[in-house]
Amino acid sequence: EPEVTQTPSHQVTQMGQEVILRCVPISNHLYFYWYRQILGQKVEFLVSFYNNEISEKSEIFDDQFSVERPDGSNFTLKIRSTKLEDSAMYFCASSLPGQVSFSGANVLTFGAGSRLTVL
Amino acid sequence: GQNIDQPTEMTATEGAIVQINCTYQTSGFNGLFWYQQHAGEAPTFLSYNVLDGLEEKGRFSSFLSRSKGYSYLLLKELQMKDSASYLCAVSRGSNYQLIWGAGTKLIIKP
Repeated sequence: EPEVTQTPSHQVTQMGQEVILRCVPISNHLYFYWYRQILGQKVEFLVSFYNNEISEKSEIFDDQFSVERPDGSNFTLKIRSTKLEDSAMYFCASSLPGQVSFSGANVLTFGAGSRLTVL
Repeated sequence: GQNIDQPTEMTATEGAIVQINCTYQTSGFNGLFWYQQHAGEAPTFLSYNVLDGLEEKGRFSSFLSRSKGYSYLLLKELQMKDSASYLCAVSRGSNYQLIWGAGTKLIIKP
């Protein structure tokens, strides 16, 4: 079964350092997402990406964050200068866009997550 | 505004039935998803409702009433492995953005 892969699974970094989290979405999916989940809290939407550009972003996704699809397979989330409150699990997800249907369109497939710890 | 409400925690007995409710308020409704999330793991897709009514998939069923902004997830013949958080998420807008509920932690007791 196709899956979304994320690296690293866990990263520890010092406050102020730059971090890049990497994701390989499912190959025929066209929508890509980053979510985060602070320990014990709800899943929070960060950004969605379609057709090589950001389609939507949340208030959390400020100037410290950026996303990139540098080639045909990778989708990266960069945090420019990490803060303590950036410590969380970061989930990448991908989906097929399209009309509302029962075919599985718009169902998100999540990666296993990258746990970021900022000290 | 947009809002999704679901109970924080529920407890049920192995072999029993449990119903997890979700109410929502949103514009541009495209459909409602239920995801299961075990502790420390990624959410996994359970069900999707776009029309009113009941969708059944094995031990799990999901119901939607769009006029009432209401859904429930029904789990039958509960097993210990069903202990997890169950996340209600509403798809909205032209970008099909998902708005997530806080999740319901389901505890299964023997």
